[in-house]
Amino acid sequence: IAGITQAPTSQILAAGRRMTLRCTQDMRHNAMYWYRQDLGLGLRLIHYSNTAGTTGKGEVPDGYSVSRANTDDFPLTLASAVPSQTSVYFCASSDYGGAANEQFFGPGTRLTVL
Amino acid sequence: GQNIDQPTEMTATEGAIVQINCTYQTSGFNGLFWYQQHAGEAPTFLSYNVLDGLEEKGRFSSFLSRSKGYSYLLLKELQMKDSASYLCAVRDGDYKLSFGAGTTVTVRA
Repeated sequence: IAGITQAPTSQILAAGRRMTLRCTQDMRHNAMYWYRQDLGLGLRLIHYSNTAGTTGKGEVPDGYSVSRANTDDFPLTLASAVPSQTSVYFCASSDYGGAANEQFFGPGTRLTVL
Repeated sequence: GQNIDQPTEMTATEGAIVQINCTYQTSGFNGLFWYQQHAGEAPTFLSYNVLDGLEEKGRFSSFLSRSKGYSYLLLKELQMKDSASYLCAVRDGDYKLSFGAGTTVTVRA
């Protein structure tokens, strides 16, 4: 593994089903983030974690949950998917604090909820 | 929260210069980032400004005026591979990013 990986690459899901999007990074970054990207709206923060064991809500957290049991993994769960959660989901990581610590993004998961 | 505005689309000719403007209103400012995103791919980091002035990195430069809530990304000597979306993002005091909707740049031959 080099950088950030996400799984699955794409998924079609029936409404009401539960789904977990996986994210793993090997850069030992302490901060991790989940975004959704929708046409015309840009990237919006769903949840974040500044360090293992802590999480916080972003701009659009409703319908999503996260956990951060260790440094490397940051799964995003949709408890009961709805069509409005159709989107491209990006996971990102960075060193928390410091000056120009940019966020590095995973390749994304394209999710369609029918 | 953050309110970040940038133009939706821009078109330019190969070899030309394009300037993408970004204006923001923030409840806390801790730096401004520009990212490039090719269609179907992840965003990648281009530049970072936290103090007023110009940061130059090869063909790309980024400018910041904190008092005006304004930044621009300058792309010089445009190449076909520069056709992409360019995302302006403002970082808050908790190191979270808020993104603008992105500017799609199309480079014509």
